Amino acid sequence: GIQVEQSPPDLILQEGANSTLRCNFSDSVNNLQWFHQNPWGQLINLFYIPSGTKQNGRLSATTVATERYSLLYISSSQTTDSGVYFCAVERGNAGNNRKLIWGLGTSLAVNP
Amino acid sequence: DTEVTQTPKHLVMGMTNKKSLKCEQHMGHRAMYWYKQKAKKPPELMFVYSYEKLSINESVPSRFSPECPNSSLLNLHLHALQPEDSALYLCASSQGRAPGREAFFGQGTRLTVV
Repeated sequence: GIQVEQSPPDLILQEGANSTLRCNFSDSVNNLQWFHQNPWGQLINLFYIPSGTKQNGRLSATTVATERYSLLYISSSQTTDSGVYFCAVERGNAGNNRKLIWGLGTSLAVNP
Repeated sequence: DTEVTQTPKHLVMGMTNKKSLKCEQHMGHRAMYWYKQKAKKPPELMFVYSYEKLSINESVPSRFSPECPNSSLLNLHLHALQPEDSALYLCASSQGRAPGREAFFGQGTRLTVV
């Protein structure tokens, strides 16, 4: 099956720093999402980005589908950015064979 | 509105209890999911409902029993659980049958089995 690898596994930043998180996947996909899981467990949708570039405030993401990777950029990090960032992809047919395949996540700690 | 609502937020149950987790969405999504997440791990898929029919069961033990009473509601009935079933249970939904639809998650139910 498809493999999803995220790097780095852990990241510590000083508030105000920038960072780039990476997600590599081993086969073509028809869905790629970035999530932020906050310390209370809530999975927050950041980007739905099977290809191209999107920006939302201090966050942006780029997926290069032909090269099978996606990048999540965090600029001017804040302590509230702390948590785990997951990349999840979907490769399946219409109807019943649809599953998100998850990376192991990047655990981010932003220190004040 | 991109909200998926789960109740309760926290649940403590004994191994002989029967309880239910509830999930509701009003986005018109026709695919709904249950996930289990252990600490420091990604979510693991348990069940998928598509158009109110069970389409994927990831070999989940029968002590977990899903139910989809209508297109907005998803339940997970729990019976005779084990302490190792303690985890965060997440519900999600996405639109329709077509692949590549964005999934939205509830805030989860943190379950402790004693």
